[in-house]
Amino acid sequence: DGGITQSPKYLFRKEGQNVTLSCEQNLNHDAMYWYRQDPGQGLRLIYYSQIVNDFQKGDIAEGYSVSREKKESFPLTVTSAQKNPTAFYLCASSPAGASTEAFFGQGTRLTVV
Amino acid sequence: GESVGLHLPTLSVQEGDNSIINCAYSNSASDYFIWYKQESGKGPQFIIDIRSNMDKRQGQRVTVLLNKTVKHLSLQIAATQPGDSAVYFCAEKVGNNRKLIWGLGTSLAVNP
Repeated sequence: DGGITQSPKYLFRKEGQNVTLSCEQNLNHDAMYWYRQDPGQGLRLIYYSQIVNDFQKGDIAEGYSVSREKKESFPLTVTSAQKNPTAFYLCASSPAGASTEAFFGQGTRLTVV
Repeated sequence: GESVGLHLPTLSVQEGDNSIINCAYSNSASDYFIWYKQESGKGPQFIIDIRSNMDKRQGQRVTVLLNKTVKHLSLQIAATQPGDSAVYFCAEKVGNNRKLIWGLGTSLAVNP
């Protein structure tokens, strides 16, 4: 089955620690995205990548880092510099061209303890 | 600035009734407007989109209306069902920019 997979579904982190969220897609999509969603809020773009080995900052990139070494993978690292990291993180991908449809993973809920 | 926002944060309807979810936008250069549905604890799912040169587009039980004069977008759901309960987001796409501009979301609750 083609799709986009995020892991883990739930993640707990101690303050001051870095943590990496996984996102893998087998849809052969060029573009991938990371969003943050807080309770009762909309989606805010953290980083996005339109092609392998290239990525751009979104609206709230501070305290986060990404890499895009492979087309199918776009891991997100939440660093200790992120002051309020507790949130629901969503990864998405979309094909090249004029497509408007983004395919989302099931999300990772990160809690700082 | 450019923004996409919703008129109503919550909407409650009776099962079987029609639902209308509204969205205001300010970017006249947007090429596409898109609706997504997000169920609790899940990622958003694409519902339907409409190109900026269209006024109306119909899908299965859903209709999207675009009024460019007042920069207003709406999603109509016919015969609303309990499975329609979710948060609905509008988003817009500008040119070849792969980054979507997202609205804040409207929570739809369907009462049996």
